[in-house]
Amino acid sequence: QVQLQESGPGLVKPSETLSLTCTVSGGSTSYYYWTWIRQSPGKGLECIGYIYYTGATDYNPSLKSRVTISVNNSKKQISLKLTSVTAADTAVYYCARGPFDGRYFDLWGQGAHVSISS
Amino acid sequence: IVMTQSPDSLAVSLGERATINCRSRQTIFYSSDNKNYLAWYQQKPGQPPKLLIYWASTRQSGVPDRFSGSGSGTDFTLTISSLQAEDVAVYYCQQYYSDPPTFGQGTKVEIK
Repeated sequence: QVQLQESGPGLVKPSETLSLTCTVSGGSTSYYYWTWIRQSPGKGLECIGYIYYTGATDYNPSLKSRVTISVNNSKKQISLKLTSVTAADTAVYYCARGPFDGRYFDLWGQGAHVSISS
Repeated sequence: IVMTQSPDSLAVSLGERATINCRSRQTIFYSSDNKNYLAWYQQKPGQPPKLLIYWASTRQSGVPDRFSGSGSGTDFTLTISSLQAEDVAVYYCQQYYSDPPTFGQGTKVEIK
């Protein structure tokens, strides 16, 4: 069955760039939306932004100036970059799949815990 | 769109009904397609959220039929008709009517 796996550093220094990759196994990136979502005790579940397999993107306005999401369909990978991080960016980061007809999420990765600390 | 769930937590006896409410600050019903843009998720400790319900009342494949969703416009309900031990979790509603999608704060369901 299709599975998603997030990977990347678990510790990032303040002011640096957080980079995560989501790898899709057992399926394709085609015809789906791919969303990065983070969860922290203080802010709950927060959508960071999404990318369609065609490369079209949309970002949460609260994070838009710092976020870049990209997709590599041949490698079946979706990437997240978040610049100028602070302690407030400490969270579990999930990638999630959504169908083309609605921005709900029918498949989630296990999540990557990222701490921002010097 | 701000989503507000109630209660924040509830304790229900095994086999009894659990009801979780979710309210959106504005309508999430599209008259053009007659759909409510609302989903429900279950999250157990150490796990990602799991989709239970979408379009407010459509059960995801593999989800037990004791889970049901109802409501329209701004007020929605997730009902667990007969609570099982494995249903202990935090439940979230999520609107996808407008970007960015937003979630409720969660409702923790425990066994009484």
